[in-house]
Amino acid sequence: DSGVTQTPKHLITATGQRVTLRCSPRSGDLSVYWYQQSLDQGLQFLIQYYNGEERAKGNILERFSAQQFPDLHSELNLSSLELGDSALYFCASSEGLGSYNEQFFGPGTRLTVL
Amino acid sequence: AQKITQTQPGMFVQEKEAVTLDCTYDTSDQSYGLFWYKQPSSGEMIFLIYQGSYDEQNATEGRYSLNFQKARKSANLVISASQLGDSAMYFCAMSSSSNTGKLIFGQGTTLQVKP
Repeated sequence: DSGVTQTPKHLITATGQRVTLRCSPRSGDLSVYWYQQSLDQGLQFLIQYYNGEERAKGNILERFSAQQFPDLHSELNLSSLELGDSALYFCASSEGLGSYNEQFFGPGTRLTVL
Repeated sequence: AQKITQTQPGMFVQEKEAVTLDCTYDTSDQSYGLFWYKQPSSGEMIFLIYQGSYDEQNATEGRYSLNFQKARKSANLVISASQLGDSAMYFCAMSSSSNTGKLIFGQGTTLQVKP
């Protein structure tokens, strides 16, 4: 158990819908990262928050947004869903920002868009 | 641009033998970290081992060791005494001082351990 929790574990929805994925980082970790894992794109970085502020953006679509709350949990919002958004979405957390920080991953949310 | 390359899509190893999973990286940063993660069929990502660019010694964690060759920009994972439970996908990843710690992943290597 990494100490990072993600809910829900599975999510099945239809095209055009909106969903929210939730992540609670390990106790004491200030940095939260979101990653998407799909068969065709592999593991890709989406967005990072540090202590409530957005710090880096990767290949995140405009239909996707995220935030980190004062209690440090984070939510990833996916809207106007398309079939291609079906993927495994991971949240990871680390203590700080540097390249030396180990990132611990949550169990992931498997999103299926029908 | 930063990049991680894993050239072995799939590997087989006999139980109790050692296996090396290859990883090469490309970065112009001087300060960076290299990571290996294991993803079993259940899907979770399990952190295995970390090597910092300034670490002079190769990292080791139990049966895992990282063969770090900085000049060749390689960071191969060595698993000793393979076990059936080692069958999984293995990802090499990198973060660097210029990218706030986000991880860039390779395409992964699927390892199957044969009894």
